[in-house]
Amino acid sequence: KQEVTQIPAALSVPEGENLVLNCSFTDSAIYNLQWFRQDPGKGLTSLLLIQSSQREQTSGRLNASLDKSSGRSTLYIAASQPGDSATYLCAVTIKAAGNKLTFGGGTRVLVKP
Amino acid sequence: EPEVTQTPSHQVTQMGQEVILRCVPISNHLYFYWYRQILGQKVEFLVSFYNNEISEKSEIFDDQFSVERPDGSNFTLKIRSTKLEDSAMYFCAADPGGDTQYFGPGTRLTVL
Repeated sequence: KQEVTQIPAALSVPEGENLVLNCSFTDSAIYNLQWFRQDPGKGLTSLLLIQSSQREQTSGRLNASLDKSSGRSTLYIAASQPGDSATYLCAVTIKAAGNKLTFGGGTRVLVKP
Repeated sequence: EPEVTQTPSHQVTQMGQEVILRCVPISNHLYFYWYRQILGQKVEFLVSFYNNEISEKSEIFDDQFSVERPDGSNFTLKIRSTKLEDSAMYFCAADPGGDTQYFGPGTRLTVL
């Protein structure tokens, strides 16, 4: 059974510092990995999707890397801003379209001005 | 980003009552999902739906739960006899047949 873990569970940084969020999964036979942002009491916003054949994806200040063989992904957020404060979730699928996402527990980020 | 909508945003019900949670997915999407998130816990998969039938369900999705797409647009999750432990955020998601699932804002279900 696939298990997804995110460390740390919570992170507090001063504005401007780079953020590094970690995600690990037990079964390396994934199809893709997604990073989501969740604001308190809100839904999930997809940030980045990495296919299993890819090593990284970038969008603006966000960069996600994937090391499938070791079962790890890292989300980097450069030059953090208070508006980046949220919970960040990673999730994996094991096959193509129509497959469920298995989520980690999330990292709650606070960026202090 | 494509928009998935859900109603109601918050539902309060008495234990043992039936509830129906509604989702309007993106019209050209093919796959639909329900997930739930109990407060402080992980987001958990409940069920996936394709071509008007369930394609996969989790062990959580027992006989008390059902899904349907009655009019080709709305996608509903019914809980027949709610229990206290059904209190959670329920998220609908839609997938066009590619890789990305698009989530709705969720319905907060409170069972008293």
